[in-house]
Amino acid sequence: KNEVEQSPQNLTAQEGEFITINCSYSVGISALHWLQQHPGGGIVSLFMLSSGKKKHGRLIATINIQEKHSSLHITASHPRDSAVYICAAVYGGSQGNLIFGKGTKLSVKP
Amino acid sequence: NAGVMQNPRHLVRRRGQEARLRCSPMKGHSHVYWYRQLPEEGLKFMVYLQKENIIDESGMPKERFSAEFPKEGPSILRIQQVVRGDSAAYFCASSQGGRGLTEAFFGQGTRLTVV
Repeated sequence: KNEVEQSPQNLTAQEGEFITINCSYSVGISALHWLQQHPGGGIVSLFMLSSGKKKHGRLIATINIQEKHSSLHITASHPRDSAVYICAAVYGGSQGNLIFGKGTKLSVKP
Repeated sequence: NAGVMQNPRHLVRRRGQEARLRCSPMKGHSHVYWYRQLPEEGLKFMVYLQKENIIDESGMPKERFSAEFPKEGPSILRIQQVVRGDSAAYFCASSQGGRGLTEAFFGQGTRLTVV
């Protein structure tokens, strides 16, 4: 069964801290996405990775194909980063057919 | 250029009624994806459509659910004879090409409550 597991489920940090969210998956993915879901429910696509590392502003995403593991890092965290972060894997179906993790709820305190 | 528009934002239906959820993709986008988020659960893929075609409906429940994306007008997700278990947030996303979430934008979702 194709699965995506995220950890931690909940994360509380102080403003300025470096944050890491982890995602592990089963074999044979073709790509992995990181999404951000805001408290109001809106969803934003942050990254799509098939190898290596990507950076956008204070966000960095990495993927290790051999270890079947991806991480999302947030540097210099800020209260506005508070959201649910979701990873999702493409296992070979159509590009929109993803298996989603249950999300990591991040709360950054001022 | 307005983003992906979903309506209604909130929908309440009694058991046995029909629910129609609409998704207007971004201008110029011809690919639409529907996802369901059950309470306390993760998102799940439902269906991927292009104009007038269903490309992948492997995530759609076998009964009561249907989706369309006509040549003109919004994409519609239709749920017939709703049951309490259909209560969820339904999100659509759209993209210009078929590269899925790589270039997709999400709507704000429709929260369906079945009473």
